[in-house]
Amino acid sequence: SSELTQDPAVSVALGQTVRITCQGDSLRSYYASWYQQKPGQAPVLVIYDNDNRPSGIPDRFSGSSSRHTASLTITGAQAEDEADYYCNSRDSTGSHLGVFGGGTKLTVL
Amino acid sequence: QVLLQESGPGLVKPSETLSLICSVSGYSISTNHYWGWIRQPPGKGLEWIGSIYHSGSTYYNPSLKSRLTISIDTSKNEFSLRLSSVTAADTAVYYCARGTILGKGSWFDPWGQGTLVTVSS
Repeated sequence: SSELTQDPAVSVALGQTVRITCQGDSLRSYYASWYQQKPGQAPVLVIYDNDNRPSGIPDRFSGSSSRHTASLTITGAQAEDEADYYCNSRDSTGSHLGVFGGGTKLTVL
Repeated sequence: QVLLQESGPGLVKPSETLSLICSVSGYSISTNHYWGWIRQPPGKGLEWIGSIYHSGSTYYNPSLKSRLTISIDTSKNEFSLRLSSVTAADTAVYYCARGTILGKGSWFDPWGQGTLVTVSS
């Protein structure tokens, strides 16, 4: 199986840029997707295939990946971006098994 | 618009079987995607439970595999989850979602609203 590691909490000043990272061996072979989850709501896809943004997601959200680390960057963070963020990828064994990171709580100050 | 809706008992007794259904509207479940279950214990992170393709092929979280069955009913455009011998540790919000696997990428979109299942006597 595989594990994805995220920092438990990150904070950013309103309007500034923040990067949330996700580390794992499977990211050397497979792409990451990112989800935003606000309290009491279902997760929402914000990035897929490392760096693609679904329609309707603001362009201040971007993604990147290098070696075993995927990153979600919010450029010009807004108050409404305060949420939990989870990365997701496939298992490093090459099967169709899935794995989520532990999540990062983003606070916008 | 693709919509997913989970349904099932909100309370299950320990050692019994948890059963949930995900009803899909606005999209044929027979199309080339896979369909997944994800859960979230109160105050904790997301855990992938398992996925099923429209063909019926299944992929299960190894930690749950011995207790888990995911099936699909294309005639009703729904798929289901059965988790046996539940304990308090299975208490969680259970989500269903449409999955895509394309090359090296995979993602879940959209998700159902989720349903809380509590395991308690």
